[in-house]
Amino acid sequence: GAVVSQHPSRVICKSGTSVKIECRSLDFQATTMFWYRQFPKQSLMLMATSNEGSKATYEQGVEKDKFLINHASLTLSTLTVTSAHPEDSSFYICSARRTENNEKLFFGSGTQLSVL
Amino acid sequence: LAKTTQPISMDSYEGQEVNITCSHNNIATNDYITWYQQFPSQGPRFIIQGYKTKVTNEVASLFIPADRKSSTLSLPRVSLSDTAVYYCLVENSGGYQKVTFGTGTKLQVIP
Repeated sequence: GAVVSQHPSRVICKSGTSVKIECRSLDFQATTMFWYRQFPKQSLMLMATSNEGSKATYEQGVEKDKFLINHASLTLSTLTVTSAHPEDSSFYICSARRTENNEKLFFGSGTQLSVL
Repeated sequence: LAKTTQPISMDSYEGQEVNITCSHNNIATNDYITWYQQFPSQGPRFIIQGYKTKVTNEVASLFIPADRKSSTLSLPRVSLSDTAVYYCLVENSGGYQKVTFGTGTKLQVIP
């Protein structure tokens, strides 16, 4: 089956540093990728929709200069949390759709970000 | 975007059949209904998807009435490992529209 690889699975960083999270579709091409964040015991909150070769579409309340998204190829999207602060600590999850099959989402395993 | 409503939580004993119902009153003609399962600290995992009537796979069944305003995920003979959060999503077949999650249903399977 289709696999979405997300790295790193866990990262701890100091306040003020930037963290990059990668999301790769390993065996299919993904025109669209979605980035979510999830706080403990809560549902997934959509942050942005990433389309290959174009700018990401951010949800209301999500700072695009804070959460930089790059979808440079059909198999890779990255989320960079710039100048991270403790309130950015969360579980970040990416998902992707196949280019040729737009009905089902495949999810990465998530990245637990802890900002000290 | 079609909004979904599910029970916040459910308990079930091992070996029982569990039915989780989701309401999606404003589902559109081109929308599919998809259910995902999520364990703690993991990304959601696809369970089943359908458009109408009944769909069955090796892990679950999905029942969708003719008006498609609701759907029911049926898990036969649950085990402790089925303890998870189950999300019902309405997804557009166009593929490019954003996908938002509702609250999900926390299923607790009891020995």
